[in-house]
Amino acid sequence: QSALTQPASVSGSPGQSITISCTGTSSDIGGFNFVSWYQQPPGKAPKLILYDVNKRPSGASNRFSGSKSVNTASLTISGLQADDEADYYCSSYAGIPTVLFGGGTRLTVL
Amino acid sequence: EVHLVESGGGLVQPGRSLRLSCTASGFNFNDYAISWVRQPPGKGLECVGFIRSRTYGGTAAYAASVNARFTISRDDSKTIAYLQLNNLKPEDTAVYYCTRDVGLYDPIRGFDSWGQGTLVTVSS
Repeated sequence: QSALTQPASVSGSPGQSITISCTGTSSDIGGFNFVSWYQQPPGKAPKLILYDVNKRPSGASNRFSGSKSVNTASLTISGLQADDEADYYCSSYAGIPTVLFGGGTRLTVL
Repeated sequence: EVHLVESGGGLVQPGRSLRLSCTASGFNFNDYAISWVRQPPGKGLECVGFIRSRTYGGTAAYAASVNARFTISRDDSKTIAYLQLNNLKPEDTAVYYCTRDVGLYDPIRGFDSWGQGTLVTVSS
């Protein structure tokens, strides 16, 4: 199975909202409501920010929101802040044994 | 607080073996599947496999890219999960993370806890 498709980079100014897309197929994103998103600052381990498409784990900011339409999932970050600058990865269940990841999106806060 | 600590990484020659450990604390280790996710330097994430809790059979499943070379096991009495890496190749060079899912049974919903990672470098 191929990795999910994400844009290589996105950027935005403080206070703005940005959206990162994650495109898969009917065998992964389109077939299950098990999409998750991770934030990875440089040199650190990834951190879960959304799971089950749009649920936030304890401690995750409510500025992160998620959605899904057919085979594409989206992460929206509202009220952009400087410390949002990081790599963001989407992931989707694709049938045992596979959990697929996207290639990652570098977010730059201008 | 959930805590996962990987160890065992290092420099290894192609074709050799290595065993990574993931020591867990802060939660009921017996109840959760443990997954291993790797990240080559400067690249993205790949889930290489997971092991279910004994409650759900204690069986393991692997990505096609590592099947038959990697083996995951667990020792619930020590709260440690292991990743045995055999016949290593240069493309296995990566930081290896152990992770825990938000839910029980199969780890498919999202990895809410990660270790700090351990670097495996495969080179002659």
